[in-house]
Amino acid sequence: AQSVTQLGSHVSVSEGALVLLRCNYSSSVPPYLFWYVQYPNQGLQLLLKYTTGATLVKGINGFEAEFKKSETSFHLTKPSAHMSDAAEYFCAVSVGYGGSQGNLIFGKGTKLSVKP
Amino acid sequence: KAGVTQTPRYLIKTRGQQVTLSCSPISGHRSVSWYQQTPGQGLQFLFEYFSETQRNKGNFPGRFSGRQFSNSRSEMNVSTLELGDSALYLCASSPGTGYEELFFGSGTQLSVL
Repeated sequence: AQSVTQLGSHVSVSEGALVLLRCNYSSSVPPYLFWYVQYPNQGLQLLLKYTTGATLVKGINGFEAEFKKSETSFHLTKPSAHMSDAAEYFCAVSVGYGGSQGNLIFGKGTKLSVKP
Repeated sequence: KAGVTQTPRYLIKTRGQQVTLSCSPISGHRSVSWYQQTPGQGLQFLFEYFSETQRNKGNFPGRFSGRQFSNSRSEMNVSTLELGDSALYLCASSPGTGYEELFFGSGTQLSVL
């Protein structure tokens, strides 16, 4: 069965510092992986996704993630944190029927704080 | 293009009652998924509908049900509410034909007293 583990429920960085949010997955089939961001009182917004092909995936707002099959990881990074990055981040793996995204398994989330 | 619309935004019910939540997907999207979000359990998949048919179902009791109409709008119903049903219920839509992005609504915050 597929599962997702996000290491660290809270991460705090200083503005301008590197952001690293960790995600490990478990999947019996080639995974399709996603990172979503949730701002307070809002729904989730897709940051980036990995399906096939290039293992380094670039997303919105300067975020990127690298799919490492040998480590079963899909860590999210951003070189320089901005105050507006403060939010909760969710890693997810797709297990849907016929490739549908409709059924995602989410990690517990990592709340990112950015200090001035 | 309008986003995913969920109504109502907030709802307060008492134990034993039933509730119906509504979701209007982005125009042209045929897949609608529902998720429950709680501080303890995080985001959990409820079910997905595609062209009026339930395509996937999560591990929730039969008190949770849903349906999709011909215009792709979806409703979910929870009967015999329990305190533990208090949560943010999120709806997401997508074209439904591949690994497209899921577009989420802002959710319905349900409180069961």
